[in-house]
Amino acid sequence: AQSVTQLDSHVSVSEGTPVLLRCNYSSSYSPSLFWYVQHPNKGLQLLLKYTSAATLVKGINGFEAEFKKSETSFHLTKPSAHMSDAAEYFCVVTSTGNQFYFGTGTSLTVIP
Amino acid sequence: DTAVSQTPKYLVTQMGNDKSIKCEQNLGHDTMYWYKQDSKKFLKIMFSYNNKELIINETVPNRFSPKSPDKAHLNLHINSLELGDSAVYFCASSQGRRSEQFFGPGTRLTVL
Repeated sequence: AQSVTQLDSHVSVSEGTPVLLRCNYSSSYSPSLFWYVQHPNKGLQLLLKYTSAATLVKGINGFEAEFKKSETSFHLTKPSAHMSDAAEYFCVVTSTGNQFYFGTGTSLTVIP
Repeated sequence: DTAVSQTPKYLVTQMGNDKSIKCEQNLGHDTMYWYKQDSKKFLKIMFSYNNKELIINETVPNRFSPKSPDKAHLNLHINSLELGDSAVYFCASSQGRRSEQFFGPGTRLTVL
């Protein structure tokens, strides 16, 4: 069975400071993992994906995520937060291929 | 050149009415999805079609009926609308079942 847990429902950071959004997954098989961002009143946009290639994945807008099998984690990071990063972030896992499993989301607030 | 489009963007209706939401993708993908996002931002998959065949049919009231006239379209019809149906409904598409999904802008349904 697959599942994903986003450890923080809300994260607040100051502009210019690092961002860390945490995600742990559970999967019986080799997973594919994704991070999506949803800005207010918008659809979901893919930030980055891991599909069994390099464990450090670079995405759009300066975001990165590292796949750590031993820790079953796929945390999302960015060195320096920008005001435009304020949004809802979703971690997603799929493995046997029939379905995406979404986390409950992390709301990121960026303080000027 | 919108990749995944939905109509209408907003839908306000009375309890008991029947309504439809349309989705079209011009990405040439073979798999399409409907999701429901509640007020707490939780995303729940409702249906998925692969090459016009229903492959995911989650526990959803049978008042909800998807229809896929071709691979590029997946419509959602809702009968006898209830207050609890108020939510944002997202359509998505992907090429294959493990690939990243591309989301539409959402349809905000309000049932009065």
